[in-house]
Amino acid sequence: QQQVKQSPQSLIVQKGGISIINCAYENTAFDYFPWYQQFPGKGPALLIAIRPDVSEKKEGRFTISFNKSAKQFSLHIMDSQPGDSATYFCAASMKSSGSARQLTFGSGTQLTVLP
Amino acid sequence: DGGITQSPKYLFRKEGQNVTLSCEQNLNHDAMYWYRQDPGQGLRLIYYSQIVNDFQKGDIAEGYSVSREKKESFPLTVTSAQKNPTAFYLCASTPLGGGYTFGSGTRLTVV
Repeated sequence: QQQVKQSPQSLIVQKGGISIINCAYENTAFDYFPWYQQFPGKGPALLIAIRPDVSEKKEGRFTISFNKSAKQFSLHIMDSQPGDSATYFCAASMKSSGSARQLTFGSGTQLTVLP
Repeated sequence: DGGITQSPKYLFRKEGQNVTLSCEQNLNHDAMYWYRQDPGQGLRLIYYSQIVNDFQKGDIAEGYSVSREKKESFPLTVTSAQKNPTAFYLCASTPLGGGYTFGSGTRLTVV
């Protein structure tokens, strides 16, 4: 199975709080795990990504935690701001022959940060 | 500025009609993709292409067709065989070994 399961479906956080979104995967061949942020009517934009040889990656207020043995990874948004309100998708992909790299997406989390 | 241009932004289709969604990139990326987005289901891969004149089916290719006559262009045709075409369609591209760049999408509605 190539599924990526994402939770929660929706999340409401107060300004300044921590937003946590979780994903789990089954295929151990996945070797690249990006997170995307999408605003209404726009295409997803890459937020941060990690490879399974590291357990954590931080970029500004955004951190990915990766647990290879549990086949789980999560996005933490510190000091959440109203401008972070968007839909967040986790994804996973594996090496393939040629130039293409297919992504398998989670179902998305609608984040609302209250002012 | 380099990027992906999808047109039109909104498209209305009558029952039984074929419609074509445009996707153009000036990033010199080798691979291009079409994804379909439905509420609560994330993005699902329709077709992808690694080089000119070559393309592969994704997870939900039935009722869709593509062509890749130029490196910059990867149009998607939604045929009358697609029974539930109302969705948000996203085009993307990647360079060799690189990450995705998405377009801004086309919202297709059947009327």
